[in-house]
Amino acid sequence: DAKTTQPNSMESNEEEPVHLPCNHSTISGTDYIHWYRQLPSQGPEYVIHGLTSNVNNRMASLAIAEDRKSSTLILHRATLRDAAVYYCILRDGRTGNQFYFGTGTSLTVIP
Amino acid sequence: DAGVTQSPTHLIKTRGQHVTLRCSPISGHKSVSWYQQVLGQGPQFIFQYYEKEERGRGNFPDRFSARQFPNYSSELNVNALLLGDSALYLCASSLAIWGFNQPQHFGDGTRLSIL
Repeated sequence: DAKTTQPNSMESNEEEPVHLPCNHSTISGTDYIHWYRQLPSQGPEYVIHGLTSNVNNRMASLAIAEDRKSSTLILHRATLRDAAVYYCILRDGRTGNQFYFGTGTSLTVIP
Repeated sequence: DAGVTQSPTHLIKTRGQHVTLRCSPISGHKSVSWYQQVLGQGPQFIFQYYEKEERGRGNFPDRFSARQFPNYSSELNVNALLLGDSALYLCASSLAIWGFNQPQHFGDGTRLSIL
């Protein structure tokens, strides 16, 4: 299973942009990059996903490197509700819908 | 619409006992996956079921088993409980297993404590 590497923790000031990096140097051509976040005492929540092109939705943007060996989740204006553990996941395109989580990045938002 | 529901929310067992955890997927979702999340770590994949058949299994011992019912709900069973089985058990559902644009929807889990 392809692995991802993320910083253990990051801090951001409220209302400022946050860039959460993820390295996935062993990604295969059919692996999609998914991001989920987990708030305290809750299950993980879908944020965004992409294959090759940058993606935007109401929650965040996903920037994917040209060689696909890294990606960055961008929260345009961090709020206190964005404080969570963010997981970068490679979805195995050969076996379907299974997800393999790493340890994630714990984001602290400072008021 | 109701999200993924799991029961019970909390459970305390002793070593050697057996436990059954339950999951109801979002209406219309046919795939259910189970994950174990030990404190301080990310969720680890245990099983995936689709249309009542096992479609994937993670690196867990045979003490762990699961099944999916005709209404797509699912049970996770763990036999001969060990202290190391203490964790948050998460269930996730999706429309199907094929198609790369389908997110998984997670429940809030069952917190299992082994004494």
